[in-house]
Amino acid sequence: GENVEQHPSTLSVQEGDSAVIKCTYSDSASNYFPWYKQELGKRPQLIIDIRSNVGEKKDQRIAVTLNKTAKHFSLHITETQPEDSAVYFCAARNRASSASKIIFGSGTRLSIRP
Amino acid sequence: DVKVTQSSRYLVKRTGEKVFLECVQDMDHENMFWYRQDPGLGLRLIYFSYDVKMKEKGDIPEGYSVSREKKERFSLILESASTNQTSMYLCASSPPGQGVGAGNTIYFGEGSWLTVV
Repeated sequence: GENVEQHPSTLSVQEGDSAVIKCTYSDSASNYFPWYKQELGKRPQLIIDIRSNVGEKKDQRIAVTLNKTAKHFSLHITETQPEDSAVYFCAARNRASSASKIIFGSGTRLSIRP
Repeated sequence: DVKVTQSSRYLVKRTGEKVFLECVQDMDHENMFWYRQDPGLGLRLIYFSYDVKMKEKGDIPEGYSVSREKKERFSLILESASTNQTSMYLCASSPPGQGVGAGNTIYFGEGSWLTVV
């Protein structure tokens, strides 16, 4: 089945600097890659996603890139702010029979230093 | 507004007890999921369901079962709770995918913190 690896597990950056989180996936048939942000004590929420027919997508300070050949995708956060501190999860959608299950990475705890 | 509701936020159960975790969604979604979240392990899929009475095993189904009698409700059952099932459990739902390259956003509930003593 699909396996999603995520690195680093923890990341600390100075406020205003950029943060990059990387993920790799194993199933070349995966075609949808969402990113979720989970603030302390709250549920994970979708922040951005990318489909397999696109190489890059941006939304204000957040961007995702996808390299299908290498089977890896990355989240880039520019001009980081204190409210970016959270745990971030990457995921890959893998079709299984009639359903599509989504497999998550192990998460990255991002801390923004003032 | 999208809503996934987990009825129990915090539970403490004894080893060997039968535990029911209930999840209800009001978005008429076909897909529903149960994950458990543990530090350093991320969100691991236990079971998912793509239709009423249909279910498929995720990556860690051992010790769990599920029930989907109605479209809006997906229950996770621990037949005989054990201490290694102490965790935070997240229910989620999503609409079906529509074709190659289509995505489907997952909506999560607030989570259920289960402690087995």
